[in-house]
Amino acid sequence: DTEVTQTPKHLVMGMTNKKSLKCEQHMGHRAMYWYKQKAKKPPELMFVYSYEKLSINESVPSRFSPECPNSSLLNLHLHALQPEDSALYLCASSLRGTPDEQYFGPGTRLTVT
Amino acid sequence: ILNVEQSPQSLHVQEGDSTNFTCSFPSSNFYALHWYRWETAKSPEALFVMTLNGDEKKKGRISATLNTKEGYSYLYIKGSQPEDSATYLCAFTGGGADGLTFGKGTHLIIQP
Repeated sequence: DTEVTQTPKHLVMGMTNKKSLKCEQHMGHRAMYWYKQKAKKPPELMFVYSYEKLSINESVPSRFSPECPNSSLLNLHLHALQPEDSALYLCASSLRGTPDEQYFGPGTRLTVT
Repeated sequence: ILNVEQSPQSLHVQEGDSTNFTCSFPSSNFYALHWYRWETAKSPEALFVMTLNGDEKKKGRISATLNTKEGYSYLYIKGSQPEDSATYLCAFTGGGADGLTFGKGTHLIIQP
C-alpha cells in the first residue's frame, strides 16, 4: 500500500467553526508533513512530524493545530479560521525524513466562509 | 527565505517532440533536490530525488540532471506523449532540514 489518504476531500466551514483534517498512511513512514497550497502558488510547508514529534512549525498561526496520535495518522485541527486560509491542504509522508521522497495525499480543498 | 525558481512557467509541446525545463535553487547548503509530477485532481507524484553533484537519474522517457555548484537542475522528457501533460515541480531541501521548498512549477501541455 503506497497510498496517503486524506479526508475529507472538500470542506466548507464558517469562521467560528472547529473542524479537523485527517491524513493516514500505512507504509511504515516515520515522517509526516502538512503543506498549504493557494491557487497559482507552490505548496508551502506548515508542519513536520518526525517519529511522532513535532520537529518543524513554520510560523503557522495558532488557529492551525497539528496532532500526530500515532505513526500512521496525522491530524490538522482548525479553529477560528479566516477566509484567507481557504486553500488546498496537502499531507505527505516519507520513510525517515530528508532526503527520502515524499508521498503525497490528494489534499483537502478548504473553503472558509 | 529560500528562492527556488522554475522556467518556463508553461510550455506547449507537440506530441513526439522532446522538451526540457529548468529549476534553479540556492547553491549553498544544498542537501537534496526533488522533482514531482502533479496531474490535475491527483496527488503530486515523486519522480526523482537527487543529492550528489553531477547526479543523473532516468525513469522511462524522463531524466534529470543536477549541478549543485551552480544551483540548477534540468528535467528532460523525450518523445512527449499526451499523458505527460502535468505540472512539474521541483523542491529543494537545504542544510539537512526536513520539509521541502517548492518552485512554482512548469505547466506542460502536450498537443496531439
